[in-house]
Amino acid sequence: GQQLNQSPQSMFIQEGEDVSMNCTSSSIFNTWLWYKQDPGEGPVLLIALYKAGELTSNGRLTAQFGITRKDSFLNISASIPSDVGIYFCAGRSGGSNYKLTFGKGTLLTVNP
Amino acid sequence: DAMVIQNPRYQVTQFGKPVTLSCSQTLNHNVMYWYQQKSSQAPKLLFHYYDKDFNNEADTPDNFQSRRPNTSFCFLDIRSPGLGDAAMYLCATSTVNTEAFFGQGTRLTVV
Repeated sequence: GQQLNQSPQSMFIQEGEDVSMNCTSSSIFNTWLWYKQDPGEGPVLLIALYKAGELTSNGRLTAQFGITRKDSFLNISASIPSDVGIYFCAGRSGGSNYKLTFGKGTLLTVNP
Repeated sequence: DAMVIQNPRYQVTQFGKPVTLSCSQTLNHNVMYWYQQKSSQAPKLLFHYYDKDFNNEADTPDNFQSRRPNTSFCFLDIRSPGLGDAAMYLCATSTVNTEAFFGQGTRLTVV
């Protein structure tokens, strides 16, 4: 089945630092999604990517759809304490396959 | 306003006692998903619907079943909950190839 490798597993950074995390897939995806999940809540969509090479920003967040269609990264610039949480990538291979596969998540801790 | 609503937010059930979790959406999306998420793990897909077409994951236990009576509602039935079924259950919706939106989840405790 499809597998997503997300790294790093966790990050401890100082407020103001930039952060980068990425996902790689064993197969081609036509959709990459990035979510943030706070404790006890459902994942909240941050950025959606639909085209190879696409670079999309949402405030301090920037994500890119890799040109091979097997990877994506998320950058957070000038981190703040409320960025703390678990970040998940998710991908869909498309066609008649609507299944959304998740990476294992990156736990981000921001020290004030 | 919430677009994917899960009820209840917290559910406590007895070992072996059937329980139903519900999900409703106001987005008119034709795909609905149920995920199980255990502590510090990624959401694990149990099954999904495309309209009324049901797609079960190969490793989803028979103990878990689902119903989708109409576009707006979807239910997760756990026939005989075991201690290992304690988890957060997440419902999500999407159109065929667009982003998926999640509800706030239902935290299930089995006692």
